[in-house]
Formats: sequence, structure tokens, C-alpha cells
Amino acid sequence: QSALTQPASVSGSPGQSITISCTGTSSDVGAYNYVSWYQHHPGKAPKLIIHDVTKRPSGVPDRFSGSKSGNTASLTISGLQPEDEGDYHCSSYTTTYTWVFGGGTKLTVL
Amino acid sequence: EVQMVESGGGLVKPGGSLRLSCATSGFTFSSAWMSWVRQTPGKGLEWVGRVLSKSDGGTTDYATPVKGRFTVSRDDSKNMTYLQMSSLKPEDSGVYFCTTESTRGHYPWGQGTLVTVSS
Repeated sequence: QSALTQPASVSGSPGQSITISCTGTSSDVGAYNYVSWYQHHPGKAPKLIIHDVTKRPSGVPDRFSGSKSGNTASLTISGLQPEDEGDYHCSSYTTTYTWVFGGGTKLTVL
Repeated sequence: EVQMVESGGGLVKPGGSLRLSCATSGFTFSSAWMSWVRQTPGKGLEWVGRVLSKSDGGTTDYATPVKGRFTVSRDDSKNMTYLQMSSLKPEDSGVYFCTTESTRGHYPWGQGTLVTVSS
């Protein structure tokens, strides 16, 4: 199972919006609505911020939103804040009953 | 508060073995599917494997790169999950996280334990 494809890095200024893409195949992202996104600050525990493509766990600000079209999922962060800086990883359930992650995207808040 | 605390990482030679442990608290462990996910140097996260709850059969599944070398197990009496790793390769080096798994994804996560495979 090949890793999902994410851009290596994105950046934006405080208050702006950014979108991170996550491209897979018809055997993972395109097969189910089981796409999740994680925020990871190095040295800390990764945090689930989006599940089931669009749903936010309790406590996650509504500035974070998810979507999917075909084999590509996206995470949008609106109203960027300095504390949003970090690494973001997508993940999808697959048709072989395993999970596949993306390579991760480093978000820099300028 | 839900907590996951990994331990057991360290330096091991290629071909060697290591057993990672994950102590959990704050949720009904016996009902949870438990997974291990790793982050290798310079790469993203990689799902390693899982063990289902006993009520769901207690079966295990693994990612292709570790199949036949790694074993995930659980001890419901201790709220612990384990990752037994053998025939270790340098590319297995990284930070290993334990987490619960559902169709929603993986949460919560511990801070991980570092494994270094090097001669």
C-alpha cells in the first residue's frame, strides 16, 4: 500500500486560510469515507482533528474543516493562528482492512 | 483522562528483537481495538498493525513491511498492549506510538518511544 500524497509544506499568514491536499486511490481515499487528519507538534502526541472526512472531535475549533472529492481529501484551516504551526498527516482506511497515512505536511505560519 | 504511555524503545542491532509496551488508562480497554503507528526519520506516519478486542475476535493485522516479523498482543487484565519486534532492520528505526483504532481513525496517542536499529 503506497502512502497517500501530501504537499511537503504549506505556509500562510495569521488570519489567512490554507488547504492541504491528500491524494490516494480508489482502494483507500476513494473507497470509504474513513479519512482522518492529525495535527502533530514534534515531540508531542499526534492529535486527531478530523475524522470521517468532515467531522471534528469535541474541542477542535471549527476553523478546521475537511472535505473529499474522488480520491483526494482536503483539510482547510481558516483564520490561521500561530499555534496552528506544525505537521499535518492524513490517513485513510483501505480495502485491505489496513490504514495508510500520508507523508505529512509542514505548516508554517508566517 | 485517557492516557497512553509507551515504553521499551532503545538501541538494537540489525537482526535483533525488541518488545514495546503501552500502558493505558481512562477508557474501557477491553472494548478497544489497539494499534501501533510509527514515524520513521524524514517520513510521515506509518500504520504498523492492530489487535482487535477479544469480543471482536482478538485477531491481528499488519502492514506488509512488518508482516511475519512483528506481533501485536494485548493483556486486558493489565490494560496493556505490546509490540514484539524481531528480525529488526535499520528502516524500522523511528518513534513508535500506540493508539486506539476505530473507523474514525486513531486517538488518543501517546508521546511514543524511540527505536534505533543500528550496528
